Amino acid sequence: TQLLEQSPQFLSIQEGENLTVYCNSSSVFSSLQWYRQEPGEGPVLLVTVVTGGEVKKLKRLTFQFGDARKDSSLHITAAQTGDTGLYLCAEGQGGKLIFGQGTELSVKP
Amino acid sequence: SQTIHQWPATLVQPVGSPLSLECTVEGTSNPNLYWYRQAAGRGLQLLFYSIGIDQISSEVPQNLSASRPQDRQFILSSKKLLLSDSGFYLCAWRKRSGNTIYFGEGSWLTVV
Repeated sequence: TQLLEQSPQFLSIQEGENLTVYCNSSSVFSSLQWYRQEPGEGPVLLVTVVTGGEVKKLKRLTFQFGDARKDSSLHITAAQTGDTGLYLCAEGQGGKLIFGQGTELSVKP
Repeated sequence: SQTIHQWPATLVQPVGSPLSLECTVEGTSNPNLYWYRQAAGRGLQLLFYSIGIDQISSEVPQNLSASRPQDRQFILSSKKLLLSDSGFYLCAWRKRSGNTIYFGEGSWLTVV
């Protein structure tokens, strides 16, 4: 079973700062998804990356898929308090969706 | 449009009591269905997934069981709850041919 490792586990920053969180695998991803979860709610899909080297932008969020498709990053520019939440990466494995442990992001005003 | 609902939203149960969490999906047919558990706001652990009625795969040995009596209904059960069963339980669905998974609102279970 492929393992997904996310780092850092916790991140606390001031509003306006930039940040990057990472998702790494022991083997090649077929595709990778990033989710954001707020407390007490289910995760919501942000993006799916499929092609090695792919970069996708969603407003202030930039998602990158490594050339070898074994790693991915999420970069947030000028973080806002509304970005606070748990960021999860996930990969489909034979009908299942396996999640990393997540990065808990706290953006302080 | 498709929707997913799970209930109850919050549950406090004594150790040794039974459990039943229910999840239904509307607006689609033959979905893949999933039960995840999340402890202390961390990553999601896949408990069960189902590709069809009465077709359920268990991912981890545990005190829980799942059933799918109808195409769009997924039930998580336990005969006797343990303290370690406490957590946030999420039901989810996905189209057979799709990559995106959609989650329910979640159920908070506290075993006391």
